[in-house]
Amino acid sequence: DGGITQSPKYLFRKEGQNVTLSCEQNLNHDAMYWYRQDPGQGLRLIYYSQIVNDFQKGDIAEGYSVSREKKESFPLTVTSAQKNPTAFYLCASSSFRGRSNYGYTFGSGTRLTVV
Amino acid sequence: QKEVEQNSGPLSVPEGAIASLNCTYSDRGSQSFFWYRQYSGKSPELIMSIYSNGDKEDGRFTAQLNKASQYVSLLIRDSQPSDSATYLCAVNSPTSYDKVIFGPGTSLSVIP
Repeated sequence: DGGITQSPKYLFRKEGQNVTLSCEQNLNHDAMYWYRQDPGQGLRLIYYSQIVNDFQKGDIAEGYSVSREKKESFPLTVTSAQKNPTAFYLCASSSFRGRSNYGYTFGSGTRLTVV
Repeated sequence: QKEVEQNSGPLSVPEGAIASLNCTYSDRGSQSFFWYRQYSGKSPELIMSIYSNGDKEDGRFTAQLNKASQYVSLLIRDSQPSDSATYLCAVNSPTSYDKVIFGPGTSLSVIP
């Protein structure tokens, strides 16, 4: 079955440590996205990518980095520069044609906690 | 003005009633509109998409779109306790069609 796989499900980060969250999709979608969700809050866009080897900053990109070397993969690195990284991280992908977007498919998320 | 606005709730309805969730958006150029359901601790799930004015029905769910009023709604008929979740309204960005802008979500509680 096609879908998006995020790993790990839970991740603990020590102060000053970089961590990488994995996101893989087999839906053949061109676009991929990373969102952050804090408790009781909405979704905030971190980075997105429309094609391989290209990505754009979202609303809260500071302290994060991404790469898009393959169509299927869009890993997110949370760097030590991100001062408050504890949150629920969601990866999504989508297809679109012209001005119509067909909606996002989300992975199951990674819950990151700073210890 | 926020780009996509929703009543935060919580909205409480008795089991079997109709739940009505509302959403307004700011940019007339938007073409694609979505409703996502998010259970507590889980990721959002796409439940409805609508692209033209009028109603679109899928089982107990009906999405309504009025582009002139910049308004989209979701009706849930015969509400069940399993419908208790946060419902996110989302609208595609008119300047970057692959991007979707999410509202803050409305929390729905269906009381048995």
